[in-house]
Formats: sequence, C-alpha cells, structure tokens
Amino acid sequence: QQQVKQSPQSLIVQKGGISIINCAYENTAFDYFPWYQQFPGKGPALLIAIRPDVSEKKEGRFTISFNKSAKQFSLHIMDSQPGDSATYFCAATSGTYKYIFGTGTRLKVLA
Amino acid sequence: DAGVIQSPRHEVTEMGQEVTLRCKPISGHNSLFWYRQTMMRGLELLIYFNNNVPIDDSGMPEDRFSAKMPNASFSTLKIQPSEPRDSAVYFCASSLAQGDIQYFGAGTRLSVL
Repeated sequence: QQQVKQSPQSLIVQKGGISIINCAYENTAFDYFPWYQQFPGKGPALLIAIRPDVSEKKEGRFTISFNKSAKQFSLHIMDSQPGDSATYFCAATSGTYKYIFGTGTRLKVLA
Repeated sequence: DAGVIQSPRHEVTEMGQEVTLRCKPISGHNSLFWYRQTMMRGLELLIYFNNNVPIDDSGMPEDRFSAKMPNASFSTLKIQPSEPRDSAVYFCASSLAQGDIQYFGAGTRLSVL
C-alpha cells in the first residue's frame, strides 16, 4: 500500500512532442505529490508538485494532472526539448518526512 | 546558497574496507535524509534525522551501516566492512522542516570491488 507505481520505465519522444509519465498509488493518506528531475551525475531536483485539492497544475511546459478518484497522477511535458532528457521520478507523501518514490522514467528527447 | 554538499563524489574501495560518506545540509534546514539509489531498487530512504536526532533508521540495511549527525551542519554515513553489494549512488537530502521539500545533493557514487 506504500508503493507508487510509475510507468513507462523509458520513453523516447521527438523534439516538439508531448512526453507523458504516469504514476499510481494506493494510500489515500498521501496528500503531496512531487515530481523530481534527475540529470546524469546529479541529484534529483524538484520540478513541480501538486496537492489533491486541485486536478491540474501547470508551470511552463510542465503540467501535472491529478485524478483523485482513480488515485493516479501524471506529468505532461509539452513541446519536449532535448534538454528535457533526464530521469523523472514521481513521489508521494502524507505530510511526513517519508517520500515514497516511483521507480523512475528515463526520458530521451530526440533532436 | 550552495545547496546540499556531499563528498566524495566518487569512491572506489575494496571489499572489507571502511567507507565514510559526508554531507553538509543547507544552512537552516533541520531535517536530513540519507538515500541509496540502485537500478534494481530505485531510491531508498536509509535514515532520517530531525534536529540532529535519528528519527527513523528502519531503512539501514544492516549493522554494517551507521550514520551520525554531530551538529546541524554535518552528517556522515559509514559502511564497515563494505561489500560489493553496497555499490550504489548515495544521496544526502535536507529540508527546512519535516514534510517540506527535500533538496538533494549531487550524490556519492560508491564502487566496492
């Protein structure tokens, strides 16, 4: 019940395309859902986050869509660029210190 | 702010040796985390400190692993003796308070031969 399932494991998108990464959870106590972006040789960095009281949050080309009833949330990267090539992790927490991370999606955007 | 600082960035050691990883959290942050990242298991929380006190060490794999936080600006993760299966990237992260955004360091890539 503490797991966060992330898919796909890897994703290849053409420049200008839309990248979509999905996550699903079971624990209804989760109330904060961050996405982290990790470049090779670097630590994960917070990209965007959402709370379950909204269904969508947009920051530039990055959008989180949240479906509370389905217990799913997804990251959409519009107009994907080669510089977006990285590994993306979703996570969930219930307001405590413990983040439950997804297994990661390796995104490659072709020029 | 310089962010979370970890050292060394890379460590290569032989099985049986002691390994010490170091972390300097962001100034003013009172929560510190040690994570391990592997291809097989992803990001795993090893230990969590709040105000320099270990709160949750349930993720520490076994007694060979130990962590300390002697003051608010320094923490260590020690593996003694090290084994090849300990090879991974170890991240330190800090947050302003419990439940706040976690900021990660660049990690230490450990290879145990």
